[in-house]
This record gives sequence, C-alpha cells and structure tokens, in this order.
Amino acid sequence: IAGITQAPTSQILAAGRRMTLRCTQDMRHNAMYWYRQDLGLGLRLIHYSNTAGTTGKGEVPDGYSVSRANTDDFPLTLASAVPSQTSVYFCASSRQGSTDTQYFGPGTRLTVL
Amino acid sequence: GQNIDQPTEMTATEGAIVQINCTYQTSGFNGLFWYQQHAGEAPTFLSYNVLDGLEEKGRFSSFLSRSKGYSYLLLKELQMKDSASYLCAVRDGDYKLSFGAGTTVTVRA
Repeated sequence: IAGITQAPTSQILAAGRRMTLRCTQDMRHNAMYWYRQDLGLGLRLIHYSNTAGTTGKGEVPDGYSVSRANTDDFPLTLASAVPSQTSVYFCASSRQGSTDTQYFGPGTRLTVL
Repeated sequence: GQNIDQPTEMTATEGAIVQINCTYQTSGFNGLFWYQQHAGEAPTFLSYNVLDGLEEKGRFSSFLSRSKGYSYLLLKELQMKDSASYLCAVRDGDYKLSFGAGTTVTVRA
C-alpha cells in the first residue's frame, strides 16, 4: 500500500452499537488526525496524535476515543453510536506534526440509524 | 473559535479564470492551506502560504495578505476536471488547523 488507507469505506450502524474506524499509513508520518466532514460545516478535528503513544482532543471529541499503539495505525472508536455521528470521517497524517502539511485518506461514510 | 469564511458556490465557464476568496480571523497565524476535494473523495493538498504574496503553481496560484486576514486561490484556464470543492484552512498560533466550509466550483462547457 502507499499513503493512507481507511476501512470500512462505508457503514450503516444501529444507534447504541460500538464501531471502530480503521486508519493505516505507510509513510512513517509521526502525526495522525481524525476529522469529520458535515455539509456546510467543513472539516472538524476530532482527535489527533503527534507521535506514537500520545493523543489529544480536537474540536469535537465527545463520543469518540482513539489510541496510537504504533506509528502506522490510528483507530477511531465510537463507544455507543448516536445519529448525530452520521458523517464522513477522514483520517490524515503529517510528517512532523502540526508544522507540516496534512495528507488525507479516502474517508469512511458512516450512517447511524 | 476560529472564523474562516469563503463563498459557498461559484460557477465559471471552461477556459475562464475563477478567484476564490477566503477571509479569516484566528488567534495567531502559522500558515494558510488550500485543498481541492472532488465529490466523494479525499481532500488533496494544493498550496501553502505563510508569507505575504503570490505563490504560483501551474494553472493555480494562491495569494496571502496577513495584515488583511485574506487569501485567494486563482484557477486559470479552467477545465471540466476543476469542478470540485476548494477548502481554505488556517493554522493558528497553537498550530491547530481550522477549515472553512469550502467553495464548490462548477465548470460549465
């Protein structure tokens, strides 16, 4: 693989269910990010990680958790999904953290019913 | 929070020029990015400005005025494939990146 991959591509989920969105990059980038994109609102940062082993909260972190056990993977978990979490989720990475350009994965379209 | 404004939609004819404006009010400034996003796809990096002036990259140019909190993306010799959303993003004093809602550009034949 080259770049950033996300899985699944799309998912329909019942409210209250637990869901993990996967993100993997093979560019050896130190920093990774999760955004959600909603019509008319633009991309909003959910959580970020500047390096393996560390994570931080973004603008809209409630209802989401992340972990960064290694450099390549940055999963996003919805512990108990709610309809307001229906969105398109993008994972991104950058080489050295917040001072570098971010590159985006293809996205996961999530619908919570 | 940060405030980043850009027009919602613009329409232009193939071969023409379109200018997408972005104004911002942020706590500090550490650079402005433009991304292109085709429908159903990921945003892709177009340009980065941190100093005042014009950055040219082929058919695309980006301008920044830090004192005015203003940037524009200029698309020249428009092609049908340029139909997309264009996202303005500003990195603030804490190096956090905030995005505008995006400008959807439609290129007509």
